[in-house]
Amino acid sequence: AQSVTQLDSQVPVFEEAPVELRCNYSSSVSVYLFWYVQYPNQGLQLLLKYLSGSTLVKGINGFEAEFNKSQTSFHLRKPSVHISDTAEYFCAVSAQPGYSTLTFGKGTMLLVSP
Amino acid sequence: GAVVSQHPSRVICKSGTSVKIECRSLDFQATTMFWYRQFPKQSLMLMATSNEGSKATYEQGVEKDKFLINHASLTLSTLTVTSAHPEDSSFYICSAKQTNYNEQFFGPGTRLTVL
Repeated sequence: AQSVTQLDSQVPVFEEAPVELRCNYSSSVSVYLFWYVQYPNQGLQLLLKYLSGSTLVKGINGFEAEFNKSQTSFHLRKPSVHISDTAEYFCAVSAQPGYSTLTFGKGTMLLVSP
Repeated sequence: GAVVSQHPSRVICKSGTSVKIECRSLDFQATTMFWYRQFPKQSLMLMATSNEGSKATYEQGVEKDKFLINHASLTLSTLTVTSAHPEDSSFYICSAKQTNYNEQFFGPGTRLTVL
C-alpha cells in the first residue's frame, strides 16, 4: 500500500515570490508520482507527473517537481507565483507496474496575495 | 484530447430520492473509470473502480447498494446515489483511463446537495 503526506495544509505567499509545496510518500514498490491542481468547485487538472527518467520534471504554468528516491519526496516548486496560482494542490501516487489506483495526499492550499 | 465530462455539474434533491451522475470520456475509450468523493477542504477519497462490462470494485466502507455504479460502455459510467440523505451531500468526481496508459483524466465534478 502507498501513502502520501503533504505536511502543509496551507501556504501563504506574496505574488512573485518563490514557493515550494512539500510531498512525501511511502511505498513498498516503485511508484508513479503526480501533482494536481484544483480550483474552487472544479475537478483536478494535472500539473506534472513522474513516471521514469529524469528526476526533475517540468509541468504546466511554470511548475516543476523533483523526485528524490532516497528522501521519498516529490516537492513542487515555482520560482515566481501569480495571484492566479491560488488553488488547492494535491500530490498523488500510484504503484508500478501496471498502474493501479491513485492515492492522494490531503492537499495544500496555496494562497497568493498581492 | 483526453476530455472527461460529468453531468450534471450541480444537483439538489430531496432526502430519500435517487440521483444519477454521468461520467463520459469524450475522445477516448475508458476501460477503467474511478469514482471519488470529496468533502469540503478535504482530499479525494476513492469510492470505487469500475471496468467496462464488469462489476465495480468498492473501497472498504463504501456501501455498494447505496452507490450503484454502472460502466456499460467504453465511454460512459454512471453513479447512482440511492435513497440520498443529507450526509451524502458532497462533491463527486470521476476519472477515466485507458488500458496501459499511466494517467487518469478527471471530470469537472458534480456537486450534490441533499435537502
